[in-house]
Order: sequence, then C-alpha cells, then structure tokens
Amino acid sequence: DQQVKQNSPSLSVQEGRISILNCDYTNSMFDYFLWYKKYPAEGPTFLISISSIKDKNEDGRFTVFLNKSAKHLSLHIVPSQPGDSAVYFCAASAYTGNQFYFGTGTSLTVIP
Amino acid sequence: DAGITQSPRYKITETGRQVTLMCHQTWSHSYMFWYRQDLGHGLRLIYYSAAADITDKGEVPDGYVVSRSKTENFPLTLESATRSQTSVYFCASEGDTQYFGPGTRLTVL
Repeated sequence: DQQVKQNSPSLSVQEGRISILNCDYTNSMFDYFLWYKKYPAEGPTFLISISSIKDKNEDGRFTVFLNKSAKHLSLHIVPSQPGDSAVYFCAASAYTGNQFYFGTGTSLTVIP
Repeated sequence: DAGITQSPRYKITETGRQVTLMCHQTWSHSYMFWYRQDLGHGLRLIYYSAAADITDKGEVPDGYVVSRSKTENFPLTLESATRSQTSVYFCASEGDTQYFGPGTRLTVL
C-alpha cells in the first residue's frame, strides 16, 4: 500500500505565478521528508527537505510546509519559471531506517 | 569525474534471460540503493546495502539479486527476466541525502 501519496499527477502554472505541489503520508513514524525533481532521461535530484521538528523550510524560491497533524506536506515554488517544468517526487523516511518511500510524482508544467 | 554512474543506459532483453545492471559511485558512500520507477507507482525500493557484503530487501525484491563486494559497486541482477520487470531502474548512494544515477531503461520482450 502506498505510504506516500501525490494525488495530482499533473499541474500547469503560468510563469511568475505560484506552484503548489501536495503530498500526503500515512505512516506516523515518518519524521524526515524530501522533495526531488526529475527531468526526462535523468535521475531524480534533491531539491529541499524538512524534518518533523519544523513546519517550514525555505530555500530560495522553494518552500516546503509540513502539517504533522494532517500528515500533509506541500512544496511552494514562487515565482515559477519554465525551467521548473519537471516531475516532482515527495519522499519520506523514518528515523529508524534509511529507506525512502516515494510518492508517484507530479508533473509540473510552467507555461511561459 | 565524481558521482554515480549506471550502465548500460538502455537494455533490451528477452524473457528468461539473465541481465545485470551496473552501478558505480566515487564518493565511498556506505549506503547504496536500487529503485525501479513505474507509472502509477513512483519509485519503489528493490534492495539496499549498508556496506560491502551487507544487503537487505526493500519493497519489491522478488526476481532480483544484488551483491556488494566493493563499496563503490552495487550490481543488480535479474536472474530470469520477466515482462513485468520492464521499467526504469535507478541506483542511488547516500551522503547527506540520496544521490541518484541517470537510470537504466530496461525492456523485457
């Protein structure tokens, strides 16, 4: 059963606007969360992470929000740029292990 | 060049054949991982290794074998390939986070 879910397979946003990608998880043992970005024919690359002791982490145009009570995290990209067009995977892990559990991905298209 | 590489990048094989996918990293990371990416499933962990000669099953290990005789190499073998193993395979190693190779696209006919 999928422990990390991304319910939106795709998202289109105008350049300069905000992109919001969502992720839900079911395992309450997860305490570390990451977002990866993937371009076609390449491997995923790390984008940003957050641990469960925080509810927000910012890195330039990228901000990840964590709502532990709702078991929900989101990635905000502001402003969105055409180069942000890619598939975004959220992932989660528990302190007790090294396994990452990935969502199914959201394909973001930023329209110039 | 430092990093993580996979070979081959593309492979076509037939049902029942043995196939080995190679993974090499230059960082001397202890942990290495194999994932497969399929539509509707995202990335799923096949096997991982904590160090040379230490391996463990992930979420979808059936039909796969791994070995790790050297820290830098982590080959994945499909002993008797099946069509359901058609997928894109990613190797990763863990430093401050997991770093992924470019992937191997495997087609089993």
